[in-house]
Amino acid sequence: NAGVTQTPKFQVLKTGQSMTLQCAQDMNHEYMSWYRQDPGMGLRLIHYSVGAGITDQGEVPNGYNVSRSTTEDFPLRLLSAAPSQTSVYFCASGEDSLSTDTQYFGPGTRLTVL
Amino acid sequence: TQLLEQSPQFLSIQEGENLTVYCNSSSVFSSLQWYRQEPGEGPVLLVTVVTGGEVKKLKRLTFQFGDARKDSSLHITAAQPGDTGLYLCAGVPGNQFYFGTGTSLTVIP
Repeated sequence: NAGVTQTPKFQVLKTGQSMTLQCAQDMNHEYMSWYRQDPGMGLRLIHYSVGAGITDQGEVPNGYNVSRSTTEDFPLRLLSAAPSQTSVYFCASGEDSLSTDTQYFGPGTRLTVL
Repeated sequence: TQLLEQSPQFLSIQEGENLTVYCNSSSVFSSLQWYRQEPGEGPVLLVTVVTGGEVKKLKRLTFQFGDARKDSSLHITAAQPGDTGLYLCAGVPGNQFYFGTGTSLTVIP
């Protein structure tokens, strides 16, 4: 199993550009989520999904869109990049959203917006 | 205001020393988790504590869940350079996993 994979690993964008961060998992997990990690802020939840066709907003959803057409894939779209979106983005998956479930993380995407 | 506050934010100690990291909240959680993140990688689960007052040991790491289920601590005995990393606590109110602010630990050989 590859686990959770993310592409690209690094990306530089100009303000106003759009892009999609890809996330895929091969563990047949229902729960998937996107986080951003900034210094001193830990991980903040952007969007999450409890199953194919179902998505919901997390703590910091503004400027980001998601969709979940399959169990395996959960792409994150930046509609019009802003310097405030410079961050490291992590995708995670778990069997469920129960508080005792393990969350498995991808290796992250480091995004810089100029 | 963060749902889960961790302290200290940074910790730099010599190899062999002991340390404690704290995770506090004003909310009650049914359980709390601890993750460790190494540079350039995603977090990896260390432990889940589910009962108020519970103590779990993982080799030199001891995790405790507060009696009121609002806080947790991680104690490391005789720290080693391999313990270096970012330690994050996490809890689930509703359907969302919330992570703490993190404690960055550096163990100097």
